[in-house]
Amino acid sequence: DIQMTQTPSSLSAFVGDRVTITCRAGQNIDKFLNWYQHKPGKSPRLLVYAASTLQSGVPLRFSGSGSGTDFTLTITNLQPEDFATYYCQQSHGVPLTFGGGTRLQIK
Amino acid sequence: QVELQESGPGVVKPSETLSLTCNVSGDSISSFYWSWIRQSPGKGLEWVGHIYFRGATDYNLSLKNRVSISIDSSKTHFSLTLGSVTAADTAVYYCARQGKYYGIDVWGPGTAVIVSS
Repeated sequence: DIQMTQTPSSLSAFVGDRVTITCRAGQNIDKFLNWYQHKPGKSPRLLVYAASTLQSGVPLRFSGSGSGTDFTLTITNLQPEDFATYYCQQSHGVPLTFGGGTRLQIK
Repeated sequence: QVELQESGPGVVKPSETLSLTCNVSGDSISSFYWSWIRQSPGKGLEWVGHIYFRGATDYNLSLKNRVSISIDSSKTHFSLTLGSVTAADTAVYYCARQGKYYGIDVWGPGTAVIVSS
């Protein structure tokens, strides 16, 4: 299985801040890396696929980068609706595996 | 626009079999991979398995031989069967579609399953 290590596990920030979440894969996964936003009581939402391609409808303040084993999700100008848990997920091979999640809380 | 909706029992007894169905509306299962993902209380997301529209399947080996996913002949539903359930299988179960680069781009709202006698 491809291990996905996500850091930090939790993060506090102010509205308007810029935050970065990191995800490291246990082996080369090329660009097969996706990012999700998950709010309590809702289903996860795809934000970024193929490491850096923004899913349709996702605000431009979200961006993804990286390839190989190291990836980042950056959110600029944090908005109140951005406070949620974020997961990375590799789709290079099965089983599909997720990072442990980053809980983004308002400061 | 494709929409997914899970259905199934909210409570299953230990050692019994859990069966869930995902209704696909807005399209038929004529392309893509179709997945089941779950989230146990207080835990992260765990991929259970998927089925290709042509019928090939892959499963999370952590579930050993307990899991099976199938597509119905009408191509409007796909199903999850998980046998010999224990309390560790208590979770919210999501059905979903894998799109470009196999990112999971469409999700059902999720259905909560509790394993309890």
